Amino acid sequence: AQTVTQSQPEMSVQEAETVTLSCTYDTSESDYYLFWYKQPPSRQMILVIRQEAYKQQNATENRFSVNFQKAAKSFSLKISDSQLGDAAMYFCAYRRDLNSGNTPLVFGKGTRLSVIA
Amino acid sequence: DTAVSQTPKYLVTQMGNDKSIKCEQNLGHDTMYWYKQDSKKFLKIMFSYNNKELIINETVPNRFSPKSPDKAHLNLHINSLELGDSAVYFCASSLHLRDLLGGEQFFGPGTRLTVL
Repeated sequence: AQTVTQSQPEMSVQEAETVTLSCTYDTSESDYYLFWYKQPPSRQMILVIRQEAYKQQNATENRFSVNFQKAAKSFSLKISDSQLGDAAMYFCAYRRDLNSGNTPLVFGKGTRLSVIA
Repeated sequence: DTAVSQTPKYLVTQMGNDKSIKCEQNLGHDTMYWYKQDSKKFLKIMFSYNNKELIINETVPNRFSPKSPDKAHLNLHINSLELGDSAVYFCASSLHLRDLLGGEQFFGPGTRLTVL
């Protein structure tokens, strides 16, 4: 079974600084997707960024970027120029390739990010 | 314009009662899911439906019964509620086929269930 590990239960960052959230996963599959979801206090799950395992290029979305190391099964999230609105729980998630059938997300336990003004 | 909606958003009830949570998506997706988020914020899949057919049923008590009247709806009925059922329940949807969305799942706002 696939597992996702987030080793940092809590992180903090100064406003305007950069922070990196760690995520490792375990799978025997070669094709899969990886995601970072943000959950603010409103509890809405918001997709931050996604990465297809077959793509070597790291995904970026504005201030958010990932460092995807497939061999190491590592998928870290870097937030640049942190803003107060970035404060939230961040979940790393894995999903087997869709061609394998309907596959749910497997989540890590989350990292609570605080942004200090 | 809500993509995935859930009702109710809050549900407070007594132990032993039966309750339902409704979910609807207007995205034209063919796969819907129920996830449970416990008090420690851990999210875990409960059920998955594709075109009204149950695909995934994780280790969930028989008191939980999903029902999908059509592709756009997936309801969750819970019998004989227990204290341990208190959690936030999220509905989500996605497209089965590989598409430009890259396997993204769209989540509803969640239903916070409190069993007293």
